[in-house]
Amino acid sequence: GAGVSQTPSNKVTEKGKYVELRCDPISGHTALYWYRQSLGQGPEFLIYFQGTGAADDSGLPNDRFFAVRPEGSVSTLKIQRTERGDSAVYLCASSPNRETSHNEQFFGPGTRLTVL
Amino acid sequence: AQSVTQLGSHVSVSEGALVLLRCNYSSSVPPYLFWYVQYPNQGLQLLLKYTSAATLVKGINGFEAEFKKSETSFHLTKPSAHMSDAAEYFCAVSTGANSKLTFGKGITLSVRP
Repeated sequence: GAGVSQTPSNKVTEKGKYVELRCDPISGHTALYWYRQSLGQGPEFLIYFQGTGAADDSGLPNDRFFAVRPEGSVSTLKIQRTERGDSAVYLCASSPNRETSHNEQFFGPGTRLTVL
Repeated sequence: AQSVTQLGSHVSVSEGALVLLRCNYSSSVPPYLFWYVQYPNQGLQLLLKYTSAATLVKGINGFEAEFKKSETSFHLTKPSAHMSDAAEYFCAVSTGANSKLTFGKGITLSVRP
Protein backbone atom coordinates (compact mmCIF):
# COMPACT_ATOMS: atom_id res chain seq x y z
CA GLY A 1 0.00 0.00 0.00
CA ALA A 2 0.97 3.65 -0.18
CA GLY A 3 3.38 4.95 2.39
CA VAL A 4 3.70 8.38 3.94
CA SER A 5 4.12 11.05 1.30
CA GLN A 6 5.47 14.56 1.69
CA THR A 7 5.36 17.52 -0.64
CA PRO A 8 7.30 19.27 -1.90
CA SER A 9 10.42 17.12 -1.85
CA ASN A 10 12.56 20.25 -2.00
CA LYS A 11 11.77 23.83 -1.11
CA VAL A 12 14.07 26.79 -1.55
CA THR A 13 12.95 30.09 -0.09
CA GLU A 14 14.35 33.41 0.95
CA LYS A 15 14.87 34.57 4.49
CA GLY A 16 11.70 36.10 5.88
CA LYS A 17 9.31 34.22 3.63
CA TYR A 18 6.45 31.92 4.68
CA VAL A 19 6.46 28.22 3.78
CA GLU A 20 4.06 25.32 4.07
CA LEU A 21 5.09 21.68 4.09
CA ARG A 22 2.52 18.95 3.53
CA CYS A 23 2.30 15.42 4.87
CA ASP A 24 -0.09 12.66 3.75
CA PRO A 25 -0.01 9.84 6.30
CA ILE A 26 -0.78 6.19 5.69
CA SER A 27 -4.52 5.73 5.39
CA GLY A 28 -6.10 4.88 8.72
CA HIS A 29 -3.16 6.02 10.85
CA THR A 30 -4.50 8.30 13.55
CA ALA A 31 -1.15 9.41 14.96
CA LEU A 32 1.04 11.82 12.98
CA TYR A 33 4.45 13.21 13.91
CA TRP A 34 6.72 15.93 12.55
CA TYR A 35 10.49 15.81 13.04
CA ARG A 36 13.34 18.01 11.83
CA GLN A 37 16.71 16.59 10.79
CA SER A 38 19.67 18.94 10.51
CA LEU A 39 22.81 17.93 8.66
CA GLY A 40 24.76 15.30 10.56
CA GLN A 41 22.14 14.94 13.28
CA GLY A 42 19.36 12.58 14.15
CA PRO A 43 15.74 13.64 13.71
CA GLU A 44 14.39 15.92 16.42
CA PHE A 45 10.75 15.86 17.46
CA LEU A 46 8.58 18.86 16.67
CA ILE A 47 4.91 17.99 17.19
CA TYR A 48 2.55 15.02 17.49
CA PHE A 49 -1.10 14.82 16.47
CA GLN A 50 -3.66 12.34 17.69
CA GLY A 51 -6.55 12.77 15.29
CA THR A 52 -7.11 16.47 14.69
CA GLY A 53 -5.57 17.74 17.89
CA ALA A 54 -1.96 18.42 18.77
CA ALA A 55 -1.27 16.05 21.66
CA ASP A 56 2.31 17.23 22.16
CA ASP A 57 3.84 20.36 20.62
CA SER A 58 6.74 20.62 23.02
CA GLY A 59 9.32 20.31 20.23
CA LEU A 60 8.27 23.38 18.25
CA PRO A 61 11.27 25.72 18.56
CA ASN A 62 9.32 28.99 18.66
CA ASP A 63 6.07 30.63 17.66
CA ARG A 64 7.12 30.93 14.01
CA PHE A 65 6.34 27.23 13.69
CA PHE A 66 2.78 25.97 13.56
CA ALA A 67 1.11 22.79 12.35
CA VAL A 68 -2.46 21.77 11.63
CA ARG A 69 -4.36 18.59 10.87
CA PRO A 70 -7.92 19.83 10.39
CA GLU A 71 -9.57 16.58 9.26
CA GLY A 72 -7.37 14.10 11.07
CA SER A 73 -5.51 13.01 7.96
CA VAL A 74 -3.30 15.41 5.98
CA SER A 75 -1.12 17.73 8.03
CA THR A 76 0.58 20.98 7.14
CA LEU A 77 3.63 22.39 8.89
CA LYS A 78 3.78 26.16 8.57
CA ILE A 79 6.85 28.28 9.12
CA GLN A 80 6.59 32.06 9.24
CA ARG A 81 9.43 34.55 8.71
CA THR A 82 11.87 31.80 7.80
CA GLU A 83 15.46 32.06 8.99
CA ARG A 84 18.61 30.45 7.60
CA GLY A 85 18.73 28.26 10.69
CA ASP A 86 15.43 26.67 9.66
CA SER A 87 17.20 24.92 6.80
CA ALA A 88 16.85 21.18 7.38
CA VAL A 89 14.99 18.09 6.24
CA TYR A 90 11.50 18.00 7.70
CA LEU A 91 10.24 14.48 8.25
CA CYS A 92 6.71 13.30 8.78
CA ALA A 93 5.77 9.95 10.31
CA SER A 94 2.49 8.19 11.03
CA SER A 95 1.51 5.39 13.35
CA PRO A 96 -1.59 3.19 13.60
CA ASN A 97 -2.15 4.10 17.25
CA ARG A 98 -2.83 0.56 18.30
CA GLU A 99 -1.27 -0.83 21.42
CA THR A 100 0.04 -3.71 19.32
CA SER A 101 1.97 -1.36 17.06
CA HIS A 102 4.21 -0.42 20.01
CA ASN A 103 4.66 3.06 18.62
CA GLU A 104 6.20 1.90 15.34
CA GLN A 105 6.36 5.01 13.20
CA PHE A 106 6.45 4.98 9.41
CA PHE A 107 8.43 7.82 7.89
CA GLY A 108 8.00 9.77 4.70
CA PRO A 109 10.92 10.75 2.45
CA GLY A 110 11.08 14.24 3.91
CA THR A 111 11.04 17.80 2.58
CA ARG A 112 14.42 19.45 2.25
CA LEU A 113 14.00 23.13 3.14
CA THR A 114 16.71 25.58 2.19
CA VAL A 115 16.46 29.17 3.38
CA LEU A 116 18.74 31.51 1.49
CA ALA B 1 13.15 12.35 30.13
CA GLN B 2 14.72 10.04 27.60
CA SER B 3 17.92 10.13 25.57
CA VAL B 4 20.07 8.03 23.27
CA THR B 5 23.83 7.94 22.92
CA GLN B 6 25.48 6.55 19.84
CA LEU B 7 29.23 6.71 20.34
CA GLY B 8 31.28 7.49 17.29
CA SER B 9 29.91 8.90 14.07
CA HIS B 10 31.47 6.50 11.60
CA VAL B 11 32.17 2.77 11.49
CA SER B 12 34.03 1.07 8.66
CA VAL B 13 34.12 -2.70 8.17
CA SER B 14 35.21 -5.08 5.45
CA GLU B 15 32.65 -6.98 3.45
CA GLY B 16 31.87 -10.21 5.30
CA ALA B 17 33.02 -8.86 8.67
CA LEU B 18 30.92 -8.48 11.80
CA VAL B 19 28.93 -5.26 12.13
CA LEU B 20 28.52 -3.82 15.64
CA LEU B 21 26.81 -0.45 16.13
CA ARG B 22 26.45 0.68 19.72
CA CYS B 23 23.47 2.35 21.34
CA ASN B 24 22.92 3.30 24.98
CA TYR B 25 19.70 4.80 26.22
CA SER B 26 18.30 6.61 29.19
CA SER B 27 14.64 6.36 30.14
CA SER B 28 12.68 6.90 33.32
CA VAL B 29 10.19 4.19 32.38
CA PRO B 30 10.51 0.87 30.52
CA PRO B 31 11.38 1.90 26.99
CA TYR B 32 10.50 0.92 23.49
CA LEU B 33 13.71 0.85 21.44
CA PHE B 34 14.18 1.06 17.69
CA TRP B 35 16.86 0.92 15.05
CA TYR B 36 16.20 2.77 11.79
CA VAL B 37 18.33 2.83 8.65
CA GLN B 38 18.57 5.73 6.23
CA TYR B 39 20.00 5.23 2.76
CA PRO B 40 21.23 8.30 0.86
CA ASN B 41 18.38 10.60 -0.14
CA GLN B 42 15.77 8.25 1.29
CA GLY B 43 13.52 8.23 4.32
CA LEU B 44 13.98 6.29 7.52
CA GLN B 45 13.23 2.57 7.37
CA LEU B 46 12.61 0.48 10.47
CA LEU B 47 15.15 -2.30 10.96
CA LEU B 48 13.84 -3.71 14.22
CA LYS B 49 12.16 -2.81 17.49
CA TYR B 50 12.22 -3.90 21.13
CA THR B 51 8.91 -3.83 22.97
CA SER B 52 9.62 -6.05 26.00
CA ALA B 53 8.48 -9.31 24.41
CA ALA B 54 11.99 -10.73 23.93
CA THR B 55 15.41 -9.31 24.69
CA LEU B 56 16.98 -10.56 21.44
CA VAL B 57 15.23 -8.96 18.51
CA LYS B 58 15.67 -9.99 14.91
CA GLY B 59 15.07 -7.52 12.13
CA ILE B 60 15.28 -7.21 8.39
CA ASN B 61 18.38 -7.79 6.27
CA GLY B 62 20.00 -10.09 8.83
CA PHE B 63 20.31 -7.49 11.59
CA GLU B 64 19.57 -8.19 15.22
CA ALA B 65 19.85 -6.33 18.52
CA GLU B 66 19.92 -7.35 22.15
CA PHE B 67 18.26 -5.38 24.92
CA LYS B 68 20.38 -5.35 28.08
CA LYS B 69 18.63 -3.53 30.89
CA SER B 70 21.60 -3.72 33.27
CA GLU B 71 23.79 -1.98 30.70
CA THR B 72 21.01 0.26 29.30
CA SER B 73 22.15 -0.86 25.88
CA PHE B 74 20.58 -1.93 22.61
CA HIS B 75 23.50 -2.65 20.29
CA LEU B 76 22.88 -3.59 16.65
CA THR B 77 24.77 -6.47 15.06
CA LYS B 78 25.03 -8.36 11.80
CA PRO B 79 27.32 -11.37 11.42
CA SER B 80 28.48 -10.61 7.90
CA ALA B 81 28.45 -7.16 6.31
CA HIS B 82 27.32 -6.66 2.74
CA MET B 83 28.12 -3.72 0.51
CA SER B 84 24.42 -2.83 0.46
CA ASP B 85 24.51 -2.26 4.24
CA ALA B 86 26.36 1.02 3.75
CA ALA B 87 24.01 3.65 5.17
CA GLU B 88 23.31 5.75 8.24
CA TYR B 89 21.86 3.99 11.27
CA PHE B 90 19.83 5.62 14.00
CA CYS B 91 18.88 4.27 17.40
CA ALA B 92 15.71 5.71 18.96
CA VAL B 93 13.79 5.41 22.23
CA SER B 94 10.22 6.12 23.19
CA THR B 95 8.41 5.75 26.48
CA GLY B 96 5.32 3.99 25.18
CA ALA B 97 2.64 3.93 22.58
CA ASN B 98 1.82 7.22 20.93
CA SER B 99 4.81 9.15 22.14
CA LYS B 100 7.66 10.88 20.39
CA LEU B 101 10.82 9.11 19.33
CA THR B 102 14.10 10.47 20.65
CA PHE B 103 16.93 9.68 18.25
CA GLY B 104 20.65 9.40 18.63
CA LYS B 105 22.94 11.34 16.31
CA GLY B 106 23.37 8.37 14.00
CA ILE B 107 26.30 6.27 12.83
CA THR B 108 27.47 6.08 9.24
CA LEU B 109 28.42 2.54 8.26
CA SER B 110 30.90 2.08 5.41
CA VAL B 111 31.62 -1.35 3.94
CA ARG B 112 34.98 -1.92 2.22
CA PRO B 113 35.25 -4.47 -0.61
